[in-house]
Amino acid sequence: SYELTQPPSVSVSPGQTASITCSGDKLGDKYASWYQQKPGQSPVLVIYQDSKRPSGIPERFSGSNSGNTATLTISGTQAMDEADYYCQAWDSSIVVFGGGTKLTVL
Amino acid sequence: EVQLVESGGGLVKPGGSLTLSCAASGFTFSSYSMYWVRQAPGKGLEWVSSISSSSSYIYYADSVKGRFTISRDNAKNSLYLQMNSLRAEDTAVYYCASPAATDAFDIWGQGTMVTVSS
Repeated sequence: SYELTQPPSVSVSPGQTASITCSGDKLGDKYASWYQQKPGQSPVLVIYQDSKRPSGIPERFSGSNSGNTATLTISGTQAMDEADYYCQAWDSSIVVFGGGTKLTVL
Repeated sequence: EVQLVESGGGLVKPGGSLTLSCAASGFTFSSYSMYWVRQAPGKGLEWVSSISSSSSYIYYADSVKGRFTISRDNAKNSLYLQMNSLRAEDTAVYYCASPAATDAFDIWGQGTMVTVSS
């Protein structure tokens, strides 16, 4: 079965750039999406089709996908960005999520 | 307002059954595939099942295949998940989700908690 691998945790200082990776076999041949989830809340889509931002998502969120790795980049990270982040892709008609990355802003 | 509202969660004994519902509003429900995603306490997101707009295509995660049944009623704008032979490892918050404006899950419900315990 297809797997997506994320680092369990990433730390960043306020105002700096955070990068969260998601690795999978030939992931660059698929579309990657990213979700933000804060404690006690439902996930929120922040990036789809590798690099597109849904309406209402700040410009500091960006994405890329090439080779075996998709990357979510948060520029000028703010305290409110502290959350769990999940990548997601489709393997044929099966939905696959990464294990999630806890972003700490300190 | 675009909205998904789950219901039907609760406490059930191992081996028991439960049916979850998801009521959709604010978008053309019948045009979109729908999905169930779950999250065990303190764990990550896990896809459970998918159903196409006309119910022609249905998929399940291996962990629930043969025990769970997804269905929908487009006339009622509703999605369902019939869960049988429940196990402790099925304990989770269950979300319904939909790609209404993008090709990803841009709409999520608030989730409904299912606890399987004796």
